[in-house]
Amino acid sequence: AQKVTQAQTEISVVEKEDVTLDCVYETRDTTYYLFWYKQPPSGELVFLIRRNSFDEQNEISGRYSWNFQKSTSSFNFTITASQVVDSAVYFCALSEASKVTGGGNKLTFGTGTQLKVEL
Amino acid sequence: DAGVTQSPTHLIKTRGQHVTLRCSPISGHKSVSWYQQVLGQGPQFIFQYYEKEERGRGNFPDRFSARQFPNYSSELNVNALLLGDSALYLCASSLVRATNEKLFFGSGTQLSVL
Repeated sequence: AQKVTQAQTEISVVEKEDVTLDCVYETRDTTYYLFWYKQPPSGELVFLIRRNSFDEQNEISGRYSWNFQKSTSSFNFTITASQVVDSAVYFCALSEASKVTGGGNKLTFGTGTQLKVEL
Repeated sequence: DAGVTQSPTHLIKTRGQHVTLRCSPISGHKSVSWYQQVLGQGPQFIFQYYEKEERGRGNFPDRFSARQFPNYSSELNVNALLLGDSALYLCASSLVRATNEKLFFGSGTQLSVL
């Protein structure tokens, strides 16, 4: 069965530090997609990044970067030079092509990592 | 442009009552999904609707139902409320229902069952 594990429940850093959020996933599918979402105190989840299972190239987008390794089923997310506005709960999520008839985007989320960035 | 809007923002009900939650997707989005987020946990998939038809259902009892209207807005209904139904209910919309499609979430309805 599909599963997403975020072992870090809470991380505290000082502003301008780099921080890496860990994510480990389980799936039997060969085609799947991985996402990171951010949930600020206002409640709505905000899409950050997405990666498909066929593309292990790691990228950087502004202060965000990610490290996708199929061999270890990990999809870690790094924020460079953290800022107070980055304080939020971060969720890793998995979407599997086989789980919804005719396609679909049912997401399986991890339990989230609370990131606190202090001055 | 308006994002995903949900109403009401907060709701208090007692056990056994019925509740209806409403969601308006981003203009042009045809897919609406519902998620339940219990405090301290990640969101759990309840339903996905696309073009007014149910396209996916999570592991929730039949007390949970939903529908999508011709204007693509959606309602989530929960009957015979239990204490364990207390949660943040999130609605998400997307243009289509592709597996890699990113979701746009509303701020949710916080439901408290007493």
